[in-house]
Amino acid sequence: EAQVTQNPRYLITVTGKKLTVTCSQNMNHEYMSWYRQDPGLGLRQIYYSMNVEVTDKGDVPEGYKVSRKEKRNFPLILESPSPNQTSLYFCATARGIIYGYTFGSGTRLTVV
Amino acid sequence: KQEVTQIPAALSVPEGENLVLNCSFTDSAIYNLQWFRQDPGKGLTSLLLIQSSQREQTSGRLNASLDKSSGRSTLYIAASQPGDSATYLCAVIGHGDGNKLVFGAGTILRVKS
Repeated sequence: EAQVTQNPRYLITVTGKKLTVTCSQNMNHEYMSWYRQDPGLGLRQIYYSMNVEVTDKGDVPEGYKVSRKEKRNFPLILESPSPNQTSLYFCATARGIIYGYTFGSGTRLTVV
Repeated sequence: KQEVTQIPAALSVPEGENLVLNCSFTDSAIYNLQWFRQDPGKGLTSLLLIQSSQREQTSGRLNASLDKSSGRSTLYIAASQPGDSATYLCAVIGHGDGNKLVFGAGTILRVKS
């Protein structure tokens, strides 16, 4: 079954404690992206990757890091989380720009 | 900078009604437009994808149209059901946006039984 898998689904952590949210896809897609969703602000792109070892900033990259060492995985790293990073995070993948995106189930992160 | 607007922001209808959700975008240079459904606190489910060369797409009771020149898309839902209650999001990928989806704020739909 084609899918985008995010882990964990829910995470509560404390300010400053490094964390990683994983994203894995089994569709051999080139494009992978991370979005965050906040009430009143909608969905905004954090980082994206067009292929292995190719990543670039989206609209709200501050406080986040990513890596794309293999095609199927695109982890989102928060080196020193802060409360303003409390949000619902989505990983999305696409075969190419014109083919549309498939989203993961989301990770609800709370930073206290 | 691409901006996407969805009207109405919320809609409440009785079961069985046909309804139309509207999406407009400011820059007509797009690769495609995608409609998603989101249930509260859940992920996004892709409903329909319309590539820039297409005028419409259909899936079951859903039909989406695209008028790229006027910057508009509509999502038509026939014979609405309570299970259709969700937030519907419209998103475009523009030529100047890399591979980024630019989302509208969504329409919150409630179908009453």
